[in-house]
Amino acid sequence: AQTVTQSQPEMSVQEAETVTLSCTYDTSESNYYLFWYKQPPSRQMILVIRQEAYKQQNATENRFSVNFQKAAKSFSLKISDSQLGDTAMYFCAFMKLGDNNDMRFGAGTRLTVKP
Amino acid sequence: SQTIHQWPATLVQPVGSPLSLECTVEGTSNPNLYWYRQAAGRGLQLLFYSIGIGQISSEVPQNLSASRPQDRQFILSSKKLLLSDSGFYLCAWSGRTSGGNTGELFFGEGSRLTVL
Repeated sequence: AQTVTQSQPEMSVQEAETVTLSCTYDTSESNYYLFWYKQPPSRQMILVIRQEAYKQQNATENRFSVNFQKAAKSFSLKISDSQLGDTAMYFCAFMKLGDNNDMRFGAGTRLTVKP
Repeated sequence: SQTIHQWPATLVQPVGSPLSLECTVEGTSNPNLYWYRQAAGRGLQLLFYSIGIGQISSEVPQNLSASRPQDRQFILSSKKLLLSDSGFYLCAWSGRTSGGNTGELFFGEGSRLTVL
């Protein structure tokens, strides 16, 4: 079974600075997707960024980028120019390709952006 | 566009009472459907997923059950609630990656269940 590990339960960063959230995963699959989801205090889960395992290029979405190291099974999220609205729980998730799209989540990292 | 709704948003139930949480998806057909539970301050635990009507896969043996009576309807139930069933329940849907979708999950607003 696939497992996802987020080793940082809580992190904080000053507004406008950069922070990196860590994620590792364990799988024997070769084709899969990786995701970062954000859960603000409203509890609504929001997709931040997606990475296909077959793509070597790291995904970016505005201030959000990932460092995908397939051999090391590492998938970290970098948030640049942090904003107060980035305060949330961040979940790393793994999904193997296939019809049942079984997605597994890490335990989450609570990020606080300080003014 | 696709939308997903789940209800009720908040529920307070006594131990031993039944439970029914409902989730519906609009704007897509033949979605994969999921129920997750999030305990306070913790990650998401996959409870059930379904790839079609009447097809339910259970991840964790527990006091809960799920049903999919229609293509875009997913129901989470219990005959007798336990204190440990308290938590935040999230319904989600995704398209099939074999159909060219990107596989991401789209979540409902969540249902907070408190069992007293």
